Amino acid sequence: DSGVTQTPKHLITATGQRVTLRCSPRSGDLSVYWYQQSLDQGLQFLIQYYNGEERAKGNILERFSAQQFPDLHSELNLSSLELGDSALYFCASSQTGDLRIIVYFGAGSRVSVV
Amino acid sequence: GIQVEQSPPDLILQEGANSTLRCNFSDSVNNLQWFHQNPWGQLINLFYIPSGTKQNGRLSATTVATERYSLLYISSSQTTDSGVYFCAVDAGNNRKLIWGLGTSLAVNP
Repeated sequence: DSGVTQTPKHLITATGQRVTLRCSPRSGDLSVYWYQQSLDQGLQFLIQYYNGEERAKGNILERFSAQQFPDLHSELNLSSLELGDSALYFCASSQTGDLRIIVYFGAGSRVSVV
Repeated sequence: GIQVEQSPPDLILQEGANSTLRCNFSDSVNNLQWFHQNPWGQLINLFYIPSGTKQNGRLSATTVATERYSLLYISSSQTTDSGVYFCAVDAGNNRKLIWGLGTSLAVNP
């Protein structure tokens, strides 16, 4: 158990809908990262937050948004969902925003868009 | 940006065999990590190894930063080693990991 908790584990939704994925980082970790893993594109970095503020942005679509709350949990919002958004979404956390510190991953949230 | 290439893409082993997985990267890196994604999808850190050699049980890793490659050695493989092994490097600012496509390993009993 990495200590990073993601919910839900799996959800099935229709095109055009909006879903929210939740992540609780390891105790004491200030930084949260979101990744998307799809069959055709491998693991893609989406966005990073550190202590409530956006720190780095990757290949995140405009239809997607995220935030980190004062209690350090984070949510990834996926809206106007398309079939191609079906993927495994990982949250990871680390103590600082520096990736030289080991990053710990949650078990992932599988999103299936039908 | 940095390109990360892993080889081989697929590997099938008999239990007890040894294997070497390779990760090539196109530019200098400050950070290189190896991860194992188990058949249930969970990603687990194996090594943080921007240079040098580390060992953890049956696994060891070596990164030769000057030649831009890293190797992951699995000895006496077990069925629980099955899954996908990813190499990931930073983009130069220690804030964004760039991932290879992984090596899919199947260990048969």
